[in-house]
Amino acid sequence: EAGVTQFPSHSVIEKGQTVTLRCDPISGHDNLYWYRRVMGKEIKFLLHFVKESKQDESGMPNNRFLAERTGGTYSTLKVQPAELEDSGVYFCASSGGLAGGQETQYFGPGTRLLVL
Amino acid sequence: GENVEQHPSTLSVQEGDSAVIKCTYSDSASNYFPWYKQELGKGPQLIIDIRSNVGEKKDQRIAVTLNKTAKHFSLHITETQPEDSAVYFCAALRRGAGSYQLTFGKGTKLSVIP
Repeated sequence: EAGVTQFPSHSVIEKGQTVTLRCDPISGHDNLYWYRRVMGKEIKFLLHFVKESKQDESGMPNNRFLAERTGGTYSTLKVQPAELEDSGVYFCASSGGLAGGQETQYFGPGTRLLVL
Repeated sequence: GENVEQHPSTLSVQEGDSAVIKCTYSDSASNYFPWYKQELGKGPQLIIDIRSNVGEKKDQRIAVTLNKTAKHFSLHITETQPEDSAVYFCAALRRGAGSYQLTFGKGTKLSVIP
């Protein structure tokens, strides 16, 4: 079974530009999550999708971040315009398969974003 | 909201010794506690988890204990090997509240010296 995949693995952009991150969850997982780890800090929750609906977006830092999950499959996270403090590693996770409960989350490898 | 504290931030042990990482949480309603291992350049990998209806869980060389009264849980690795070297994260979550957001500790960098 393929794990959670994320694209790109790295992205370097200039302040003010736009970046779109993509996440493909484990097949059959209804729950999809975005997390972020800023340098030296803990991994923090951004939002949670159940299928195509946003279940919880309480962790989204501001309206420069837009997450979508059209059709309930893959998800995108767009940052527009990017600021220096957006640099960090963005992780996607999914849950909801037969093994483990709805809360058992499997993480992707992350996208390392650097805003210059 | 939930707050998770993790100690120590770094830990060095000799190969074959045991390693213990401790976490405390603030929300008494939290009921699911996973542990993740992150190797360099990779994402967090779930290694073991425990739910609040049990006090201990083991999987080969790894065990997790939970004390609900004191609101703390610990990861125990026995007979450590160099490949155990990584950053370990604890997390807490409250199931049944609709959202399954994990709150993480800041991580422990474990180094196993051959």
